[in-house]
Amino acid sequence: AQSVSQHNHHVILSEAASLELGCNYSYGGTVNLFWYVQYPGQHLQLLLKYFSGDPLVKGIKGFEAEFIKSKFSFNLRKPSVQWSDTAEYFCAVKSKGTGGGNKLTFGTGTQLKVEL
Amino acid sequence: DAGITQSPRHKVTETGTPVTLRCHQTENHRYMYWYRQDPGHGLRLIHYSYGVKDTDKGEVSDGYSVSRSKTEDFLLTLESATSSQTSVYFCATMASGSSYNEQFFGPGTRLTVL
Repeated sequence: AQSVSQHNHHVILSEAASLELGCNYSYGGTVNLFWYVQYPGQHLQLLLKYFSGDPLVKGIKGFEAEFIKSKFSFNLRKPSVQWSDTAEYFCAVKSKGTGGGNKLTFGTGTQLKVEL
Repeated sequence: DAGITQSPRHKVTETGTPVTLRCHQTENHRYMYWYRQDPGHGLRLIHYSYGVKDTDKGEVSDGYSVSRSKTEDFLLTLESATSSQTSVYFCATMASGSSYNEQFFGPGTRLTVL
């Protein structure tokens, strides 16, 4: 079974600081990877996804992630965080489900707090 | 957003009672999912559906059942609620036709089992 590890459970940054959240997955074959964000009291929203091609993926709100196959990693980055980036961030890896659907395995999440 | 609603949004119930949560979507997406979110565990898949009357188990399916009689509705039933099922439950949907599709999430249902 696939697993996803997010090593940083809580991160506190000041506005304008740079952000890097770690994500490692266990599956050794072809992977599709996602980062979702959950703002306080809201549902999950997709930040970005990697399926193939350029390992540097750009998402919404200035976020990007780099897929490094040799390290089984898909770390999320943002050069300069804002107070509005305070949220919980989830890394997820896709596997094939019955009937052709995608199943996602999520990491445990990283709670980011950005201070003014 | 994919037009996903969940009902109820909040529920408090007692141990041993049956509970049904409803997920409704307006996008005609083929695939639907139920997850639970717990601190320190992230989101874990309970059950999912790949079409009307077609469902399969996820990683934490014990104590839960699902039904999908229409494309737009996916019901999650806790047959006899226990305190360990206190959680936030999220429904998600995904369109068919491409493996590049993302899952869209509903607003969640906060369930407390006393």
